[in-house]
Amino acid sequence: EAGVTQFPSHSVIEKGQTVTLRCDPISGHDNLYWYRRVMGKEIKFLLHFVKESKQDESGMPNNRFLAERTGGTYSTLKVQPAELEDSGVYFCASSLRDRGDNEQFFGPGTRLTVL
Amino acid sequence: KNQVEQSPQSLIILEGKNCTLQCNYTVSPFSNLRWYKQDTGRGPVSLTIMTFSENTKSNGRYTATLDADTKQSSLHITASQLSDSASYICVVPRTYKYIFGTGTRLKVLA
Repeated sequence: EAGVTQFPSHSVIEKGQTVTLRCDPISGHDNLYWYRRVMGKEIKFLLHFVKESKQDESGMPNNRFLAERTGGTYSTLKVQPAELEDSGVYFCASSLRDRGDNEQFFGPGTRLTVL
Repeated sequence: KNQVEQSPQSLIILEGKNCTLQCNYTVSPFSNLRWYKQDTGRGPVSLTIMTFSENTKSNGRYTATLDADTKQSSLHITASQLSDSASYICVVPRTYKYIFGTGTRLKVLA
């Protein structure tokens, strides 16, 4: 069974540019999550999808971030325009159910560097 | 405030030695606590999950403990190997949101 995959693994862009990160969850997992780790800090929740619906986007930093999950399969996270403080590692995770006792499986992350 | 704190921040040990990592949490309500291992360039991978009623759980050379009264957990690694070099992250879910600790970076030297 394939795990959670993310693309690209690394992205280096200039301030003001746009970047789109992609996540492919484990097949059959309705729940998809985005997390982010900025330098020196802990990984923090960004948002949660159940199928194609956003259930919780309380962790999204601001309106420069837009997440979508068309058709309830893969998800994209777009940052437009990117700022220096957006640099970090963006993780995607998926799970079968949206309960705390249900394990989330993480992808390898996308390392974003904004210059 | 729902927080997870870990210590030490980093640790260097010699191959074959044991070590213990600590985790304190204030997340409420509490359902379970998880320890993850994150290798460089990889996503976190689950090592163990501790529920409210469990005190100790082992997974090979990894043994986790939980004291729900004091809200503390530990991860003990026995007979360390070079492949144990990684970040170890304590996670306490709050509903579907994972609350992460900052992790302990472990380096095992030959």
